[in-house]
Amino acid sequence: AQSVTQPDIHITVSEGASLELRCNYSYGATPYLFWYVQSPGQGLQLLLKYFSGDTLVQGIKGFEAEFKRSQSSFNLRKPSVHWSDAAEYFCAVGITGANNLFFGTGTRLTVIP
Amino acid sequence: DSGVTQTPKHLITATGQRVTLRCSPRSGDLSVYWYQQSLDQGLQFLIQYYNGEERAKGNILERFSAQQFPDLHSELNLSSLELGDSALYFCASSVRGSGGPDTQYFGPGTRLTVL
Repeated sequence: AQSVTQPDIHITVSEGASLELRCNYSYGATPYLFWYVQSPGQGLQLLLKYFSGDTLVQGIKGFEAEFKRSQSSFNLRKPSVHWSDAAEYFCAVGITGANNLFFGTGTRLTVIP
Repeated sequence: DSGVTQTPKHLITATGQRVTLRCSPRSGDLSVYWYQQSLDQGLQFLIQYYNGEERAKGNILERFSAQQFPDLHSELNLSSLELGDSALYFCASSVRGSGGPDTQYFGPGTRLTVL
């Protein structure tokens, strides 16, 4: 069965520091990969996606993610975190033959001054 | 703003009652998906409609049902509500129904509280 793992439930970083949020998936073929962000009381906003091609994808708000097939990972990175980045981040996987997305359990990001 | 709208934003009701959540997809999108977000289950897929027809089913209870109308808006009906149905319900939309990678855009959600 497909699964998406976000091993870090909660991460705290200082403003201006770099950030990496981890995401691993379990699926036989190449999945379609997404990162969404959910601010408190808000919906899910798409940050970036990977379908094929260049394994380093750029998203909104200065985020990027790298697909590593050998590690079944799609980690999200940002070189310098802003206080407004505090939110919950969800990794999601789409697979051929299934119409829905499979979500990880999310990583809550706290940014301290 | 994703272009997906959901109403109402908040809903408070009692056990045993029935409620209807409404979703309007982005212009041009034919697929509508419903997800439930709860503290213990995370984000779970409930059901998908494509151009008026049910396309895929997930972990949707028999007490729950949905439909998509000719104007492509969708409604999720929750009946015989239980305390455990309290959750955030998201609607998402996409262009296609299946057959390849497609991006789902999410609405702001409806927070349901069952007392």
